[in-house]
Amino acid sequence: KQEVTQIPAALSVPEGENLVLNCSFTDSAIYNLQWFRQDPGKGLTSLLLIQSSQREQTSGRLNASLDKSSGRSTLYIAASQPGDSATYLCAVEEYGNKLVFGAGTILRVKS
Amino acid sequence: NAGVTQTPKFRVLKTGQSMTLLCAQDMNHEYMYWYRQDPGMGLRLIHYSVGEGTTAKGEVPDGYNVSRLKKQNFLLGLESAAPSQTSVYFCASSQEPTIEKLFFGSGTQLSVL
Repeated sequence: KQEVTQIPAALSVPEGENLVLNCSFTDSAIYNLQWFRQDPGKGLTSLLLIQSSQREQTSGRLNASLDKSSGRSTLYIAASQPGDSATYLCAVEEYGNKLVFGAGTILRVKS
Repeated sequence: NAGVTQTPKFRVLKTGQSMTLLCAQDMNHEYMYWYRQDPGMGLRLIHYSVGEGTTAKGEVPDGYNVSRLKKQNFLLGLESAAPSQTSVYFCASSQEPTIEKLFFGSGTQLSVL
């Protein structure tokens, strides 16, 4: 059974710091991996999608990498801002369109 | 364009009461999903639908029922609420069954006392 783990569970950093969020999964037979952002009282917003054949994706200050063989993905946030404070979730899509979500990393960026 | 709308946003129930959560999407999507989110756990799929008139069980279906009588609406029912059903419920929809095209509602926070 696929399990997705996100480390750390919570992170507090000063504004301007570069940071890395980690996501690991137990079964490397995945189709896609996606990083989401969740704000309090709101739904999930898609940040970056990495297909199984890709190694990384970039959007602005965000960069996500995928290493299927080791079962790991990282989300790198450059020059963090208070507006980046949110919960970040990763999810893997297995063949057959089954989604497995991690529990998330709660990020707080202090001004 | 409203996207995916969930009602209500908050609800408190007593054990044994029943209620229905409504999910409405205006994107003409075929696929609709109900998830629950609990502290320290990832979202878990309760039930889903691949089109009007269809429903199927997900990972944690016990204690819940669903209906998709109209394409734009997906209803989640709790017949006899239990404290274990205290959670945040999210509805999502997509035109294709892939994570790439998934749109989420803003959630319903349910407490069962």
